[in-house]
Parts: sequence; C-alpha cells; structure tokens
Amino acid sequence: EVQLVESGGDLVQPGRSLRLSCAISGFTIGDHAINWVRQAPGKGLEWVGFIRANAYGGTPGYAASVKGRCTISRDDSKSVAYLQMYSLKTEDTAIYYCTREVVGVPGEFDVWGQGTTVTVSS
Amino acid sequence: SYELTQPLSMSVALGQTARITCGGNNIGSQSVHWYQQRPGQAPVLVIYSDRNRPSGIPERFSGSNSGITATLTISGAQAGDEADYYCQVWDSSTGVFGGGTRLTVL
Repeated sequence: EVQLVESGGDLVQPGRSLRLSCAISGFTIGDHAINWVRQAPGKGLEWVGFIRANAYGGTPGYAASVKGRCTISRDDSKSVAYLQMYSLKTEDTAIYYCTREVVGVPGEFDVWGQGTTVTVSS
Repeated sequence: SYELTQPLSMSVALGQTARITCGGNNIGSQSVHWYQQRPGQAPVLVIYSDRNRPSGIPERFSGSNSGITATLTISGAQAGDEADYYCQVWDSSTGVFGGGTRLTVL
C-alpha cells in the first residue's frame, strides 16, 4: 500500500526553525516528485514546494512565499523527504501535507499524507 | 503569477447536478486537476488532467476544460459529496491552487 506519513509538527516561536519529515512506503521515493502543500486554519490549500524525481534531476523548487526560508530535501536510503523551515512567521501556521506526484505529470498529486500541524506563536 | 478563481460556495439539492467552475487566463491550455477535501481530512484527487477519474472515484464525477473555464461536474450529488473542492494547475514549475469551493448538499 502506498503511504506517506508526515511528522515533526510542533508549536514553535517566531524566528525559530523546524524540520518536517515525510516517510513513504509502497513505492520508491526517488521515482516520484514529492510536493509539500499547506493549509492555514480555515483557509485553502497553498503549494509550498517540491523536490523533483531523480529522473528529472532531483532538484527542489519553492513557492515565492517561502523561497529563501525553506529547504526541501530527500534521503532515498531512508525513503524520507524533508521540509526544513527557517525564520518561521506566524503566517506559517498551518497543516503541512506531503504528496506524491504522478510520474511525468507535474502537479498531479495522487496520494497525500494525513498532515502534520505547525503552530508558530510566542 | 498565475491565478485560479473559484466561487466561494455553492449548494445543490440531493440527486441534482453541481457544476463547480475554475477560471484562469487561457486555462484551456493547462492541465487541470481537482481535489475533494472533506472536513478534517486530507485532500483526495477526484479528477486529473481535465477529465480523467482515478480508480475508485465514482462515475458521477466528471471534468471539462476549455477557454477560460474548467468545470467539475457532480451528477446526482450525494450527501457524502459535501466537501471543499479545489482546482489546481502546474504553471512555470509552480503549483497553483484555486481558492476552493465549499459544496453544500441540501
């Protein structure tokens, strides 16, 4: 069974850093792009960034709203993707989902994790 | 940056047809995906590449895309279809979501 499980969400103070993890099973992580999507309380979905599949270079990309404050990486040996966030702001408070992208179809997210909650507050 | 516009909310009578629109500049040239999000749950892909249904999605869900509007159609809406629906495209190596439409089934 294909699964993605996020972890690492926490209550953190503004300006601090936090690393989220996305553990996958049921498929080879390097074969697919892994995207991160967040949802602020009571709001819609917002794309955060992604890391490309190995066949497409394995490089990351970011939304303008987080560029320079986030790093997305992947450890193929552990089947885990990461979202490292720096200089957190209150507006980063959200549920963070990792998603699997269908091979060769940018933006088609066929499997989602259950999400992990990040709260940024003093 | 590319923007997608959805109605904030809409309602449909049980068993009737709901059409949720997603507007964008020349969206007909894009590949549009639709996600359903029930309260307290993660989103689920219900339509991919404009008009295709993933395995397990009921046939009452269909999609179309032309010109400046993409449409998700739910034929014979059921109580379980009450949810938020989001359209999404991939533009310039960036994911873009519409603001979402809350569908109420009366």
